[in-house]
Amino acid sequence: DQQVKQNSPSLSVQEGRISILNCDYTNSMFDYFLWYKKYPAEGPTFLISISSIKDKNEDGRFTVFLNKSAKHLSLHIVPSQPGDSAVYFCAASGSKTSYDKVIFGPGTSLSVIP
Amino acid sequence: DVKVTQSSRYLVKRTGEKVFLECVQDMDHENMFWYRQDPGLGLRLIYFSYDVKMKEKGDIPEGYSVSREKKERFSLILESASTNQTSMYLCASSLLGGPGANVLTFGAGSRLTVL
Repeated sequence: DQQVKQNSPSLSVQEGRISILNCDYTNSMFDYFLWYKKYPAEGPTFLISISSIKDKNEDGRFTVFLNKSAKHLSLHIVPSQPGDSAVYFCAASGSKTSYDKVIFGPGTSLSVIP
Repeated sequence: DVKVTQSSRYLVKRTGEKVFLECVQDMDHENMFWYRQDPGLGLRLIYFSYDVKMKEKGDIPEGYSVSREKKERFSLILESASTNQTSMYLCASSLLGGPGANVLTFGAGSRLTVL
């Protein structure tokens, strides 16, 4: 039973438009959420995170929104660029400040079309 | 440039062989992890270690063991490889505590094929 779900295996977006990647979780004890980006033949790299005390965190073109009541988060990429084409993994943990097992979702493959 | 290095990018082994996957990090991180990545399943934790000679089982430890004799090195061992262990294996590390504790730095991965 997956605790972190990404229900869209793939997504295609035109260059310059907004990409919205969604993630749902089932464990209400999760306190810290992260997005990782993975290119083929490379390991995942950390992209952006959000703590449960916030509902939004922004870093340049990337914004993560958290809706705790719905157990839902989303990653917005604006504007989308061809270099953003990658697999995006949503992840969740029980703590921001001390290690607690990080649970990953299955990933969403984003294609940004020039 | 800080790094997690996995010694083998591609391996092909036969059923029943013993397989060693090596991982070295140069960030002085306390935590080290082994994940496997399979299509549709994401990254699943096999084992992790928070200190030298310490290890904890993850979600799918069956068929695997690990060794951490030095802080910078974490090895994954498949005692008798089976075809269902064909996968991408990812090593990662992180700090023990503080804001970086759950921000993992990953290696490039080791693609293992068991015939």
